[in-house]
Amino acid sequence: AAGVIQSPRHLIKEKRETATLKCYPIPRHDTVYWYQQGPGQDPQFLISFYEKMQSDKGSIPDRFSAQQFSDYHSELNMSSLELGDSALYFCASSSHTSGNYNEQFFGPGTRLTVL
Amino acid sequence: LAKTTQPISMDSYEGQEVNITCSHNNIATNDYITWYQQFPSQGPRFIIQGYKTKVTNEVASLFIPADRKSSTLSLPRVSLSDTAVYYCLVFSAGGNTGKLIFGQGTTLQVKP
Repeated sequence: AAGVIQSPRHLIKEKRETATLKCYPIPRHDTVYWYQQGPGQDPQFLISFYEKMQSDKGSIPDRFSAQQFSDYHSELNMSSLELGDSALYFCASSSHTSGNYNEQFFGPGTRLTVL
Repeated sequence: LAKTTQPISMDSYEGQEVNITCSHNNIATNDYITWYQQFPSQGPRFIIQGYKTKVTNEVASLFIPADRKSSTLSLPRVSLSDTAVYYCLVFSAGGNTGKLIFGQGTTLQVKP
């Protein structure tokens, strides 16, 4: 079965640079979520989109922005990168219309390292 | 959102049944209990969800007493590959955007 695809899988950036992470949800899933997991930490919710509209916002820094496109893929844009942004970034998708949106399917993650 | 409390770590041996209990004293009427599993450097994976009594699937069972203030995830006959972090989450239905709030999970170590 198709899973959530994230790219790139690994990314190394310098401080103050920008990064773009991409997420391709499972086909026919209408909701995308972004989570950040720092070393030794639990996943933290950043932001979510339902039908291309932002549906919720968590602890996402102002330096970060995200959007969901017409084909339902999503991009997380990160600017002015800081050392503390080094983390695993997970994208998850679910089907809100199925009524079981708490069953989220997570991608393999993008490991961002800021030097 | 109801706060959850679960043990930080547990040890077990292959072939044993493992029970992880989660407390959620402030659970609301329309809240569901959901469990996720996470292996190192991988995304969390949905295991099971329930509202009350007992739910069973091919992976685990979830026991929820009548007062719903706690729940127990039961993993039958664990193997080394079940070594992972297990998260108990309380999820509100109806009007919820779906975000998952992860607290401190339980690190299960299965030994040979």
